[in-house]
Amino acid sequence: GAVVSQHPSWVICKSGTSVKIECRSLDFQATTMFWYRQFPKQSLMLMATSNEGSKATYEQGVEKDKFLINHASLTLSTLTVTSAHPEDSSFYICSARERKFDEKLFFGSGTQLSVL
Amino acid sequence: LAKTTQPISMDSYEGQEVNITCSHNNIATNDYITWYQQFPSQGPRFIIQGYKTKVTNEVASLFIPADRKSSTLSLPRVSLSDTAVYYCLVWADSGAGSYQLTFGKGTKLSVIP
Repeated sequence: GAVVSQHPSWVICKSGTSVKIECRSLDFQATTMFWYRQFPKQSLMLMATSNEGSKATYEQGVEKDKFLINHASLTLSTLTVTSAHPEDSSFYICSARERKFDEKLFFGSGTQLSVL
Repeated sequence: LAKTTQPISMDSYEGQEVNITCSHNNIATNDYITWYQQFPSQGPRFIIQGYKTKVTNEVASLFIPADRKSSTLSLPRVSLSDTAVYYCLVWADSGAGSYQLTFGKGTKLSVIP
């Protein structure tokens, strides 16, 4: 299947700092990427949909000024958690829509964010 | 919005076939049905996807009845390494860049030696 690379795998930061997470589609172009967060022993929760070259669409209850999403190219989307606080600590996962051969969603390996 | 319902957990012995059923009564005409496997601290891994009838690949089979209100993931001869959470996802492009994408709670499969 198609490969989605997510970086970093884990990050620890101090409260008040910003953290950027990258999501790349390695062998296909992804016009659409998605960002999720997942708390321990819970399911994935969609945060936002990112379309290349346009503003992201955020799910209800997700602060767009808190979670900045940029999808500047067909292979890269970034999520920046601004002024992070301990309650932002979570597992963040991206996915990309692959349309070359069929409609499929492939996921990155996830980023564990811990805010101290 | 197609909501999915799966059993919370299942146990199976090694070597057995495991069938996990997902209910999605409100599935729309354009919705895809996709199953993923997730290990702790990892992103979901694509297993199989279908639209109707039966789909088979090298790791699993997916059975979808004609009304598409449910789907069953079949894992042949499971091993200990198949212990994971399995999610069924019903999704579609709603148009204009918006998507219907809601994960259910998943099924925790435990394979016993």
